[in-house]
Amino acid sequence: GNSVTQMEGPVTLSEEAFLTINCTYTATGYPSLFWYVQYPGEGLQLLLKATKADDKGSNKGFEATYRKETTSFHLEKGSVQVSDSAVYFCALEYSSASKIIFGSGTRLSIRP
Amino acid sequence: DVKVTQSSRYLVKRTGEKVFLECVQDMDHENMFWYRQDPGLGLRLIYFSYDVKMKEKGDIPEGYSVSREKKERFSLILESASTNQTSMYLCASRPQGSPSYEQYFGPGTRLTVT
Repeated sequence: GNSVTQMEGPVTLSEEAFLTINCTYTATGYPSLFWYVQYPGEGLQLLLKATKADDKGSNKGFEATYRKETTSFHLEKGSVQVSDSAVYFCALEYSSASKIIFGSGTRLSIRP
Repeated sequence: DVKVTQSSRYLVKRTGEKVFLECVQDMDHENMFWYRQDPGLGLRLIYFSYDVKMKEKGDIPEGYSVSREKKERFSLILESASTNQTSMYLCASRPQGSPSYEQYFGPGTRLTVT
């Protein structure tokens, strides 16, 4: 069936470090892929998305590229800030339904 | 801005009580969702609704029911609360159409069942 696997956390980095959070998926067909972020005490909000192979989503300095050949959608940022501390969820949605499948989430902590 | 509101941020209930969690969205979205969020498990879909009075079971519907009498309101009901339903509950809404449309989430209700 369809599923999303993302790297386990927590991930702790120093400010200005490079960030990668790995995400791989299993899906039939051509799903849309998303990264959602949950800041402390808040609900989830969309960070970026990609709807077809080789698309790159980007927002707030974060990027992720839809790689069909490796079924991956890794999240990257060149220089993290303390304000990026949050839980990040990789997710996919397949066209035959209106449901999103979420990964288990990766907690990111950035120390000054 | 899309706004999804949930009736309570924190709720404490006793085992066996009937619990109502309310969610309201103000953007005329057709689709609404209820998830529970648990550490290490991510978000799991309980129920979703794609129109008024329409509902479909998600991945973990046991012990829950839902009601959608008006387009803007989607209620989650715990018929007889149990301690294993202690969790964070998130509501979301989304317009009907392309699967690439984002879901808009409320702030969540942290429910504790004692």
